[in-house]
Amino acid sequence: NAGVMQNPRHLVRRRGQEARLRCSPMKGHSHVYWYRQLPEEGLKFMVYLQKENIIDESGMPKERFSAEFPKEGPSILRIQQVVRGDSAAYFCASSLGTGGAFFGQGTRLTVV
Amino acid sequence: DAKTTQPNSMESNEEEPVHLPCNHSTISGTDYIHWYRQLPSQGPEYVIHGLTSNVNNRMASLAIAEDRKSSTLILHRATLRDAAVYYCILVAGSARQLTFGSGTQLTVLP
Repeated sequence: NAGVMQNPRHLVRRRGQEARLRCSPMKGHSHVYWYRQLPEEGLKFMVYLQKENIIDESGMPKERFSAEFPKEGPSILRIQQVVRGDSAAYFCASSLGTGGAFFGQGTRLTVV
Repeated sequence: DAKTTQPNSMESNEEEPVHLPCNHSTISGTDYIHWYRQLPSQGPEYVIHGLTSNVNNRMASLAIAEDRKSSTLILHRATLRDAAVYYCILVAGSARQLTFGSGTQLTVLP
């Protein structure tokens, strides 16, 4: 049973471009969470999704950031018009809804 | 979410047991106690969780105080690969997002 898969592992974007981060949850998991970790800082919750629904987006910046978890395919975190301050590690986690959450290895976004 | 308090850092010698404490005096009756760890340059890793009774798995043991206001993560034999930041997190009964604090940085000395 493959774990949570995130791709790409590393992503470089120029200021103003779009970044698209993908997350395939563990098989059978319908709950997906996205977290951001800025350099030398802690993990901050961004958004919690179930299939086709956003359950809690209280940690998402109001502009430029969006997330989806379609019926088919991976969850996508999209950052439009990236700025240098978006440079961070973005982690996805999935769970069954109870018990522990399982994290991917993250996507490290660098904005140049 | 109820708050947890952990020491900023701890040291242990290799092959010795490690007891990582966590205080959660405002825990509610339906909060589960979860532990995660994050190794350098990696994603967080689930370690263990419990509600009231002590729990054991292949990675660690979780000892929960009778009043549930504190808990201890026990690594029975620390290895160098156990050096990580350990997070104690309270999670409500239904699926909820995790609120990470600053955790305990565990250093394992050879």
